[in-house]
Amino acid sequence: RKEVEQDPGPFNVPEGATVAFNCTYSNSASQSFFWYRQDCRKEPKLLMSVYSSGNEDGRFTAQLNRASQYISLLIRDSKLSDSATYLCVVSYNQAGTALIFGKGTTLSVSS
Amino acid sequence: GAVVSQHPSWVICKSGTSVKIECRSLDFQATTMFWYRQFPKQSLMLMATSNEGSKATYEQGVEKDKFLINHASLTLSTLTVTSAHPEDSSFYICSAAHPGTPFLGNTIYFGEGSWLTVV
Repeated sequence: RKEVEQDPGPFNVPEGATVAFNCTYSNSASQSFFWYRQDCRKEPKLLMSVYSSGNEDGRFTAQLNRASQYISLLIRDSKLSDSATYLCVVSYNQAGTALIFGKGTTLSVSS
Repeated sequence: GAVVSQHPSWVICKSGTSVKIECRSLDFQATTMFWYRQFPKQSLMLMATSNEGSKATYEQGVEKDKFLINHASLTLSTLTVTSAHPEDSSFYICSAAHPGTPFLGNTIYFGEGSWLTVV
């Protein structure tokens, strides 16, 4: 069964806070892993890919644990503009083109 | 600018009628496009994979006779919701894989999405 589970939140944090999102996936054959960001009533946009070694992009750090089928996203020094829904996404086909989305975790950053 | 364009962005139609949504890749030729549906507070659900020149591959539970997909050219895929009912009201979004490069996540482009309301 293809499934990606996320804590829906919402996470309400003040500016400058550090917040972590978790995600688990059920299909051990999943090939690729991503975090997307979706603003209200808009299309999702790629935030970052997730690699087994862990990767960082500015204030964002992603981790993947294939053994536990677990993915995380850490946001440091939250900005107001980080307010959005964060989608955990895996691809399960060999081409890596068909994506399975989690329901998303909503983040609200306040001043 | 957008590399994948969807049209229309918003559409309201009467129950029982059909509505067509277009997905165009603007800067590249896409042999494969994908159609998703998202209900409020739900995840994007893959409906079907659209293959240029051949029949679409539908996900389990998606009625292929209700959601007609045509991918007649390398830059255009269309989704037609036939005999629409209020429960079909949703956010429909397409994506296209940029060909010729290994998939690294940054080569999947999404359209802006289409909001369908059936009254």
